[in-house]
Amino acid sequence: LAKTTQPISMDSYEGQEVNITCSHNNIATNDYITWYQQFPSQGPRFIIQGYKTKVTNEVASLFIPADRKSSTLSLPRVSLSDTAVYYCLVGDIRNNNDMRFGAGTRLTVKP
Amino acid sequence: DGGITQSPKYLFRKEGQNVTLSCEQNLNHDAMYWYRQDPGQGLRLIYYSQIVNDFQKGDIAEGYSVSREKKESFPLTVTSAQKNPTAFYLCASRTPGYYGYTFGSGTRLTVV
Repeated sequence: LAKTTQPISMDSYEGQEVNITCSHNNIATNDYITWYQQFPSQGPRFIIQGYKTKVTNEVASLFIPADRKSSTLSLPRVSLSDTAVYYCLVGDIRNNNDMRFGAGTRLTVKP
Repeated sequence: DGGITQSPKYLFRKEGQNVTLSCEQNLNHDAMYWYRQDPGQGLRLIYYSQIVNDFQKGDIAEGYSVSREKKESFPLTVTSAQKNPTAFYLCASRTPGYYGYTFGSGTRLTVV
């Protein structure tokens, strides 16, 4: 299983772009990268998923370099409601094997 | 709407008692998972099940037991052997090719 490393915490201000990087040096060929957001006392929810290059949806972008050993979640123009913990998961989505969540990155958005 | 239902939302247990946390999904997902989360910490995998009547231990299975008699249900029993059971418990489900996990709203267990 690919181990992931993320910063423990980050601070930002409303309206700024936030980039959270995840390191996954031993990512396997069939592994995908998925990011989740968790608010206190709630289950994590899916944000975005990708395999290589760039993926964008209505809430975030995911940048994955050619070597795939890291990935960056980009949140444009954050608001106070984006204050949450963000988790990076790496694994093969073609099967139902377990995936481990790391400690995540606690993002605090300040006014 | 499809989703995962965990019950109860809050649960209090006396020391030495076993308690069972319920997890039901109507998403037709093959796999189901139980995670434990302590304050300020990430999620740790307790047990997971890829198909009915089969399950595997995660990283912290000691003191817990599960069953998977139906595709829709994956109850977790916290036994008296679990020395520090106070935590937030999350159930999730997933199916191959699906974009990710779907989580329930969690059960907060407190030992009193």
